[in-house]
Amino acid sequence: AQSVTQLDSHVSVSEGTPVLLRCNYSSSYSPSLFWYVQHPNKGLQLLLKYTSAATLVKGINGFEAEFKKSETSFHLTKPSAHMSDAAEYFCGGGYNKLIFGAGTRLAVHP
Amino acid sequence: GAVVSQHPSRVICKSGTSVKIECRSLDFQATTMFWYRQFPKQSLMLMATSNEGSKATYEQGVEKDKFLINHASLTLSTLTVTSAHPEDSSFYICSARDGGQGYAGTEAFFGQGTRLTVV
Repeated sequence: AQSVTQLDSHVSVSEGTPVLLRCNYSSSYSPSLFWYVQHPNKGLQLLLKYTSAATLVKGINGFEAEFKKSETSFHLTKPSAHMSDAAEYFCGGGYNKLIFGAGTRLAVHP
Repeated sequence: GAVVSQHPSRVICKSGTSVKIECRSLDFQATTMFWYRQFPKQSLMLMATSNEGSKATYEQGVEKDKFLINHASLTLSTLTVTSAHPEDSSFYICSARDGGQGYAGTEAFFGQGTRLTVV
């Protein structure tokens, strides 16, 4: 069975403070994992992906994520939030299909 | 990154009619395409996975006779909503990746989505 769980439906941070969006996965196979961002009424844009090459993955716009097999986690982080980071974030993965968690809405306040 | 073009971006149709949504990969061969449905402020629900030249694999609870998926070429997949009803109104998104079934490491590229409204 494959599943992706995002632990927070909403996260609110102040501009300039760190961002943490949490994701856990379940897979019978060695997973490939992704983080995507979605702006209103738009498709999804890839932030970063994990494909077993390195456990710490750096993506676009200063985001990074660390794959921790022992914790079955793939949390997304950014050292300093920017107003433009406000969006919906989806953690996804799977073996022969691509499924997503429920999403985390990130709000960034001045 | 690679481009996936989805058309139309918005469509309004009458109840009982059928609507076709196209998803094209513009600069790569889309061996696998995924179709999702997204309700307001909710996640993407995978409807089906299609591989070029084969029948789509539908997720549990998705009516294959209502949501017809065709993936006849490496650059085009279509989703046809047959006999549409107001409850079919939703945001439909396609994605495509260059990699056969099971090759999960390749990222998927997403279309811009289609807002379907059935009146």
